Amino acid sequence: RKEVEQDPGPFNVPEGATVAFNCTYSNSASQSFFWYRQDCRKEPKLLMSVYSSGNEDGRFTAQLNRASQYISLLIRDSKLSDSATYLCVVNSDAGNMLTFGGGTRLMVKP
Amino acid sequence: DAGITQSPRHKVTETGTPVTLRCHQTENHRYMYWYRQDPGHGLRLIHYSYGVKDTDKGEVSDGYSVSRSKTEDFLLTLESATSSQTSVYFCAISDGERTNEKLFFGSGTQLSVL
Repeated sequence: RKEVEQDPGPFNVPEGATVAFNCTYSNSASQSFFWYRQDCRKEPKLLMSVYSSGNEDGRFTAQLNRASQYISLLIRDSKLSDSATYLCVVNSDAGNMLTFGGGTRLMVKP
Repeated sequence: DAGITQSPRHKVTETGTPVTLRCHQTENHRYMYWYRQDPGHGLRLIHYSYGVKDTDKGEVSDGYSVSRSKTEDFLLTLESATSSQTSVYFCAISDGERTNEKLFFGSGTQLSVL
């Protein structure tokens, strides 16, 4: 089992839709969780951290479910500019380093 | 945006030749990292540094070496490039005191080994 797993997608949604991604992780002792956004041929950029109490930033909401070992990202009122790959990041078993999921691709269409 | 510069942006080389990629930061951050990104594998850590002359291996370190002689520069060297090292290489820095703090990435280097 991979340490961090994501559905690669693509998720094709119309503008204005609400879309949610999940990411599962294998290390129950993980403490740090993040969502990154990566545009095509660009570097990953931090979207938001995921706290135990959840985190909301405008149209984006991140949640952590420790019991089931997954984090989620909810995007409301999708915009064309939200089209990107969303990377789930968790601190790993070895040396407390960050491990990246393979990413979920989102395509928002007019 | 964090001040991270990678060079070169693109490189084509032949199998067996040495290649050095450079990462330069202007943020004075302690931690610097080298990742590679390949389809189907996501981002994988090659090496990282936690200070000048302090480096350690990551998940996929075989065939790579690094050096950090100054806080601002972190070099990645492929001693003898192979086709399996064709990839996009990203440098990252973090501003925390631990290795699991949030990362800021450079623009990447597309390396093709023919």
